[in-house]
Amino acid sequence: DAGVTQSPTHLIKTRGQHVTLRCSPISGHKSVSWYQQVLGQGPQFIFQYYEKEERGRGNFPDRFSARQFPNYSSELNVNALLLGDSALYLCASSPTGPASYNEQFFGPGTRLTVL
Amino acid sequence: AQSVTQPDIHITVSEGASLELRCNYSYGATPYLFWYVQSPGQGLQLLLKYFSGDTLVQGIKGFEAEFKRSQSSFNLRKPSVHWSDAAEYFCAVGALGYGNKLVFGAGTILRVKS
Repeated sequence: DAGVTQSPTHLIKTRGQHVTLRCSPISGHKSVSWYQQVLGQGPQFIFQYYEKEERGRGNFPDRFSARQFPNYSSELNVNALLLGDSALYLCASSPTGPASYNEQFFGPGTRLTVL
Repeated sequence: AQSVTQPDIHITVSEGASLELRCNYSYGATPYLFWYVQSPGQGLQLLLKYFSGDTLVQGIKGFEAEFKRSQSSFNLRKPSVHWSDAAEYFCAVGALGYGNKLVFGAGTILRVKS
């Protein structure tokens, strides 16, 4: 079975631009979460979606938004990019509802570089 | 608020030696605890998890961890390290009612000497 897939693998943008990152969960998983991992730090929670509804949001500015589609894939959008947005963006999917005891399966991530 | 501390940024062990990576958490209720491993350029792979019950949990790749409520710790151990274990290890805590939010520590980079 295919794991969590993310696209693109790498991305280079300039300050002020907009970026869209994509994630496809494991087949049958209905919950998708997004994390930001800055170099040298652990991942930080951005969003969690379950059944196409936002179920959790981390401490990130409104420049960050996300959505989940009927096929449970998800997009993370970041507007007005700043240098500090450079990071590895990780997507994770879970098989059941929005509860922390579910195992989260992580994708390989999208490496975003903002120049 | 939940928090996780991994006191060791880097650890170097010889191949075949035992390993213990430390993790301390802060959370008022019963935590759900996880250890993940990340190889360079890769996503996170779950090694093991603790929800309830036996405080010594077994994971993949020969890893185990022990939950000690009195010390707010969830240390990861392996009796004999292999060169392929070199990677970064993250401890994370979650809690019922917070959705799928996991709070991660800053990670410990493991180097294995041959």
